[in-house]
Amino acid sequence: GAGVSQTPSNKVTEKGKYVELRCDPISGHTALYWYRQSLGQGPEFLIYFQGTGAADDSGLPNDRFFAVRPEGSVSTLKIQRTERGDSAVYLCASSLEGLDHGGYTFGSGTRLTVV
Amino acid sequence: QQQVKQSPQSLIVQKGGISIINCAYENTAFDYFPWYQQFPGKGPALLIAIRPDVSEKKEGRFTISFNKSAKQFSLHIMDSQPGDSATYFCAASSGGSNYKLTFGKGTLLTVNP
Repeated sequence: GAGVSQTPSNKVTEKGKYVELRCDPISGHTALYWYRQSLGQGPEFLIYFQGTGAADDSGLPNDRFFAVRPEGSVSTLKIQRTERGDSAVYLCASSLEGLDHGGYTFGSGTRLTVV
Repeated sequence: QQQVKQSPQSLIVQKGGISIINCAYENTAFDYFPWYQQFPGKGPALLIAIRPDVSEKKEGRFTISFNKSAKQFSLHIMDSQPGDSATYFCAASSGGSNYKLTFGKGTLLTVNP
């Protein structure tokens, strides 16, 4: 596609429920990133994929968060036992290889609200 | 520990004026400094970036000034337009992890007509 596509654009879930957020990167981009943006803050790094593997997952806040990219394209961020503090905009980005080739292209994000 | 500090938090400028946003960093390993522009409901979009081997980079109305000794860099928007009204984020990354960006908290710019 022309850009990074994220679905759903909005998700409201009850505390304790499980959610999945999907990211379709730009075709041919080998690197994929997830960031979390809380209200009034800059994006915070969660995880980086190079191909199918998670090269750096140091930003995942705890073991309730998990992300996969089984075929090296689409990625899913999974959050178990959601908490109200998980409410944020979850941004996905992709790039050719790291930051050296023109930076990231971000999607519009999924706004997650935990009630 | 906030590694990239951005100021001001908000900024109001008249059309045609100069908008200046400042950032300071702590990690001397940082070697790539981009600025992102974000409109409501959209993801951040790369505006302009600089590496520390130059002190200034200009692209159209946007200029980054970089002071390595002070560990500071700034974005200047010349001839500011109402369409520039957005949130601007500075960011930084280091060569050892040239995929991970550390963002500032953002500056909400409003350009009045």
